[in-house]
Amino acid sequence: GNSVTQMEGPVTLSEEAFLTINCTYTATGYPSLFWYVQYPGEGLQLLLKATKADDKGSNKGFEATYRKETTSFHLEKGSVQVSDSAVYFCALVDNDMRFGAGTRLTVKP
Amino acid sequence: NAGVTQTPKFRILKIGQSMTLQCAQDMNHNYMYWYRQDPGMGLKLIYYSVGAGITDKGEVPNGYNVSRSTTEDFPLRLELAAPSQTSVYFCASSSGTSGETQYFGPGTRLLVL
Repeated sequence: GNSVTQMEGPVTLSEEAFLTINCTYTATGYPSLFWYVQYPGEGLQLLLKATKADDKGSNKGFEATYRKETTSFHLEKGSVQVSDSAVYFCALVDNDMRFGAGTRLTVKP
Repeated sequence: NAGVTQTPKFRILKIGQSMTLQCAQDMNHNYMYWYRQDPGMGLKLIYYSVGAGITDKGEVPNGYNVSRSTTEDFPLRLELAAPSQTSVYFCASSSGTSGETQYFGPGTRLLVL
C-alpha cells in the first residue's frame, strides 16, 4: 500500500539556518505530493504541492521537488525564521491520502 | 467565507457515552474527510465522502459512523466511546482528489475517561 516516511523530529535550528526535512514515499500509482504545516492549536494548512515528477512546489521561501527516481519530496528553506516554528507533514494522494508522522521544527532567535 | 468549521473545540466523554462531532464547509466542496491525529503520529483517515449521500471507510473506521445528507455538513458519530478514541479530530474538504488541496478545520480535542 501507499505510505509516507519523513524524518523524525524534533528539529531545532537557529534563526537564518538552512532547513531540510526529508520525505520519501511508496506508492503504487502516480501520486500528488504535499507539504502541510500545522501551527500550535490550529488545523493543517497547505504549504506547497507538486502533482507530477520533476515539479517543484514553492511557497514562503520553502521548496520541494518531486523526485520520482528517488521517491522523495524533501522540504528545504534557505533561512528559517522564528515564525516557521511548527509541525510539518508530508503527504501523498493517490487512490487514498497518506500522511507522514510529522516533524516538529523549533527555530530559536 | 468561514471555510471548514468544527464543533465542539473540546469535549470530555465517559466510557460508553456517545457524541457527534460536527463539521461544516461553505466552499461547495464535494469531498469531505474525517481524520484523527494521535500524539507523535500523522493523520489517519477515518471516513470520507465524495458527495451528498455517499460515504466510504478510510484507514481506521472502527468505532465511528458518518452521514452526508447535504453538501455542507459531514458529522462524525461515536456510539460507544472508548479510551482509545482519545485524540484530536480534524475535518477537511476539497473540490476533488489527486492534486487538489484539502482545507482543514481547527480540530476537536476529545478526551475519553
